[in-house]
Amino acid sequence: GAVVSQHPSRVICKSGTSVKIECRSLDFQATTMFWYRQFPKKSLMLMATSNEGSKATYEQGVEKDKFLINHASLTLSTLTVTSAHPEDSSFYICSAPGPGFYDEQFFGPGTRLTVL
Amino acid sequence: QKEVEQNSGPLSVPEGAIASLNCTYSDRGSQSFFWYRQYSGKSPELIMFIYSNGDKEDGRFTAQLNKASQYVSLLIRDSQPSDSATYLCAVNTGFQKLVFGTGTRLLVSP
Repeated sequence: GAVVSQHPSRVICKSGTSVKIECRSLDFQATTMFWYRQFPKKSLMLMATSNEGSKATYEQGVEKDKFLINHASLTLSTLTVTSAHPEDSSFYICSAPGPGFYDEQFFGPGTRLTVL
Repeated sequence: QKEVEQNSGPLSVPEGAIASLNCTYSDRGSQSFFWYRQYSGKSPELIMFIYSNGDKEDGRFTAQLNKASQYVSLLIRDSQPSDSATYLCAVNTGFQKLVFGTGTRLLVSP
């Protein structure tokens, strides 16, 4: 299957700082990537769709000024959590549709964010 | 609201048994369906996808789709303790977006 990487895998930061998470498709190009967050023992919640060359599309209830998304190239999307607070602590996962016909999505390994 | 429903479990089966995981979805226009496995603290891993009514087999896994009943299932034959994980059903609702169920936790006891 297609490989998606994420960096960093784990980050701890102080309240009020900004954190950038990178998502890369390693062996294929992705004009679209998706960002999810997951709380413990809960399912994945889609935050936004990252579109190469245009603005991200945010799901209802997700603050676009809080979660900045940039799709800089066909293999890289970044999520920046601005002015992070403890309630932003979560598991953030990106995914990208693989090169197959049925849009199966491949997930990055995730980034665990802890805001103190 | 497009929804995907799963029983949260846990579903407990002994090693070697068949585990049956079920999922229903609300959007009758959905075209493709996916099963992901997620170990604790890890991201989801794609197991299978299915898009036509009927069965699709891959090794010990069989996905079943019944669009008339809006029902998808995953059978795991010869269950192993390493199969213990949360299984997420996902439905493609269009524009490559997936809607996930809350997942079913499977426990396979030795």
